[in-house]
Amino acid sequence: AQTVTQSQPEMSVQEAETVTLSCTYDTSESDYYLFWYKQPPSRQMILVIRQEAYKQQNATENRFSVNFQKAAKSFSLKISDSQLGDAAMYFCAIEKDGLTFGKGTHLIIQP
Amino acid sequence: DTEVTQTPKHLVMGMTNKKSLKCEQHMGHRAMYWYKQKAKKPPELMFVYSYEKLSINESVPSRFSPECPNSSLLNLHLHALQPEDSALYLCASSQGRTGVANEKLFFGSGTQLSVL
Repeated sequence: AQTVTQSQPEMSVQEAETVTLSCTYDTSESDYYLFWYKQPPSRQMILVIRQEAYKQQNATENRFSVNFQKAAKSFSLKISDSQLGDAAMYFCAIEKDGLTFGKGTHLIIQP
Repeated sequence: DTEVTQTPKHLVMGMTNKKSLKCEQHMGHRAMYWYKQKAKKPPELMFVYSYEKLSINESVPSRFSPECPNSSLLNLHLHALQPEDSALYLCASSQGRTGVANEKLFFGSGTQLSVL
């Protein structure tokens, strides 16, 4: 069974600053994918970024990037130049027969 | 079309009612999922359909009955629910079969269910 741990229930950042959300996971699989999903107040789950475990290069999507440390089973999300629209619940997830999510981090953007 | 459409958006039902939630996608995806999400909690997987066949049932009570009439539609039939079943029910789809680890899930906006 997979587990995902997000140790930060809530984070706050000033607009235009950079923030990092933490995630650790556990799996017995050798090949897997990791995801960050965003859930704004509308409650729509939106994919932010995806990382393939066999790739050493960290994934990036515009202002979003990850720091993937496979040996440490760590998968943090960095958001650069934070914008008000980034305010949301962020879930880290691992994929095996459907996603297993962490408990989420509530990100607050201070204007 | 990259949308997963769920209806209704909100549903209030009594414990003796029978209702259905509907989910539709036209992306040609062959895997579809139901998740349940309680307030301030992460989504929890309920069911997975792969090529219109139920492939995963995460020990969900029988008062929830999924149905996949065709590759574009997924229903969740509800009967004799309890107040603790009140939650947001999310549908998702992905391109291929379950067990393919690189699947990107597309989510609908959910049905907010209240059981009185």
